[in-house]
Amino acid sequence: EDKVVQSPLSLVVHEGDTVTLNCSYEVTNFRSLLWYKQEKKAPTFLFMLTSSGIEKKSGRLSSILDKKELFSILNITATQTGDSAIYLCAVEAGYGGATNKLIFGTGTLLAVQP
Amino acid sequence: SQTIHQWPATLVQPVGSPLSLECTVEGTSNPNLYWYRQAAGRGLQLLFYSVGIGQISSEVPQNLSASRPQDRQFILSSKKLLLSDSGFYLCAWRDFGMGEAFFGQGTRLTVV
Repeated sequence: EDKVVQSPLSLVVHEGDTVTLNCSYEVTNFRSLLWYKQEKKAPTFLFMLTSSGIEKKSGRLSSILDKKELFSILNITATQTGDSAIYLCAVEAGYGGATNKLIFGTGTLLAVQP
Repeated sequence: SQTIHQWPATLVQPVGSPLSLECTVEGTSNPNLYWYRQAAGRGLQLLFYSVGIGQISSEVPQNLSASRPQDRQFILSSKKLLLSDSGFYLCAWRDFGMGEAFFGQGTRLTVV
């Protein structure tokens, strides 16, 4: 059974802290891993990772994938209250094309206190 | 540009009543369509996905069903709602099953 697990489930930090969110997976025919941020309703896309060891970066957020150990991390430096959200990891799995599924993890609820 | 519409935004339904949630996509053809359910503060559980008209794959046995009567329309239904059907339902689409998924604004369903 395909599985995506995120840790921690929830996290409370203070502004300026650096956080690391984890995502591990066990799927058949891994294709890619995606990170999303969900503040209120619709999740918004952050990164898509397909190759091991290549860091994706956007401002204070960065992410990297390890396909050998089957995990990814999302780093947020100098956190701000606006970073408070649920962070979702999703894995695309399948044999290619339209039959690929997008399986989401359990989510990490991040609260950044002023 | 592509847009996705999902309605209603909120819904309160009594136990045993039927359900119909609708999702439509504009600006793309033959998208992969998905229905997810989310418990409060948690991740998304994949319920159904569709790669084409009339093609539905179910991920979790449950009280719900899905249909795709048109290329860009995806409907989530139930004949008789249970209390456990309460949750936040999200519709999403992807081009040809690749790349990022784009989400609707969700429907918060409360079964009372």
